[in-house]
Amino acid sequence: DADVTQTPRNRITKTGKRIMLECSQTKGHDRMYWYRQDPGLGLRLIYYSFDVKDINKGEISDGYSVSRQAQAKFSLSLESAIPNQTALYFCATSDVTEQFFGPGTRLTVL
Amino acid sequence: AQSVTQLGSHVSVSEGALVLLRCNYSSSVPPYLFWYVQYPNQGLQLLLKYTSAATLVKGINGFEAEFKKSETSFHLTKPSAHMSDAAEYFCAVSAKAGGTSYGKLTFGQGTILTVHP
Repeated sequence: DADVTQTPRNRITKTGKRIMLECSQTKGHDRMYWYRQDPGLGLRLIYYSFDVKDINKGEISDGYSVSRQAQAKFSLSLESAIPNQTALYFCATSDVTEQFFGPGTRLTVL
Repeated sequence: AQSVTQLGSHVSVSEGALVLLRCNYSSSVPPYLFWYVQYPNQGLQLLLKYTSAATLVKGINGFEAEFKKSETSFHLTKPSAHMSDAAEYFCAVSAKAGGTSYGKLTFGQGTILTVHP
């Protein structure tokens, strides 16, 4: 079984809809992250959490929110999706020296 | 603050030729450095990482990278390219323990490697 899982893997939604992307990990790490990938821009950090009670904004948090339900679960929400949020979204977890990535969620906002 | 610059958004080589992907970083504290690979329609896979042991780091699939503090560089090389190396490669930096960037990765823009027969 994969160490970091993301659901759904693909999602098409409409402008204005609320959508939640979910992430679960079995590595037992406290640290979890959400990134988005856009062509030519690499991966950019949306939010990160260093433990269940610690949530921090990344460089592009506007339009997003997160919830850390447990050590193993970290969800990303788009309260009112807009087309420029169309991207590939990655969840990651880390130990002291390395991040481990999920398979990604491809989100399309029409 | 930390940042990463990958020189060249696209690199094209012939099969069997040397692969060189360039990465320069900026970090106010001693860094950890990483190279990740992303094959088409897949997630990110760690190729190698520098965490302050040997400056020449060997990774998977024959890749290696050398940390050069004086040049703030961490270039990725492979002596002989294979068709299967075609992918997008990302350089990333994080801070060692201490500082607000600890544990967070900052990525470069990515370099797409094309390998011609």
